[in-house]
Amino acid sequence: SAVISQKPSRDICQRGTSLTIQCQVDSQVTMMFWYRQQPGQSLTLIATANQGSEATYESGFVIDKFPISRPNLTFSTLTVSNMSPEDSSIYLCSAPGVGTDTQYFGPGTRLTVL
Amino acid sequence: KQEVTQIPAALSVPEGENLVLNCSFTDSAIYNLQWFRQDPGKGLTSLLLIQSSQREQTSGRLNASLDKSSGRSTLYIAASQPGDSATYLCAVPAGGTSYGKLTFGQGTILTVHP
Repeated sequence: SAVISQKPSRDICQRGTSLTIQCQVDSQVTMMFWYRQQPGQSLTLIATANQGSEATYESGFVIDKFPISRPNLTFSTLTVSNMSPEDSSIYLCSAPGVGTDTQYFGPGTRLTVL
Repeated sequence: KQEVTQIPAALSVPEGENLVLNCSFTDSAIYNLQWFRQDPGKGLTSLLLIQSSQREQTSGRLNASLDKSSGRSTLYIAASQPGDSATYLCAVPAGGTSYGKLTFGQGTILTVHP
């Protein structure tokens, strides 16, 4: 299995500001993944965070809005930039367990933008 | 583009009932399918991962089946308990991958009342 932690667990932010979310995995993984869950919706993949290369973004998500860092094999950050109320969501990171296809998720960061 | 559908959207049952949650996917070229549980405001807990070569996977009172050719999976919960109340999500990885870039269904909200 994999144990994944996220910081902060929740935050309330003002429009136009930025928030950086941290994700820590208890094992070394090649890829980490960032998802967004809008209110009442299911999860949508934002991007894949690759160690040693640029993140790969899904359609509808851009680097200027959601810059991602991946400084090592156990850590990643997602920044939500120039926030608007539409960015109010739960942001989750995930990673596979060591030697398994099972995907594990962090507890999520609940973001409210006023 | 892979699409994942879950029915029913919501289910309310008395304690002790056996129940079945359904998941269907449009592209049968999948490596595996994973079932998750999400409690309100929380992250995702992995319940079962079933490989495309498997027909069934069991964990305690949970049993997942997979019919890849027909694009269907079911999650069977035996002897339901109030603690089983949560949203249940199924997800499949993107074509050509065995983990990570997951496409989720909209979920089934389960309520088990005493």
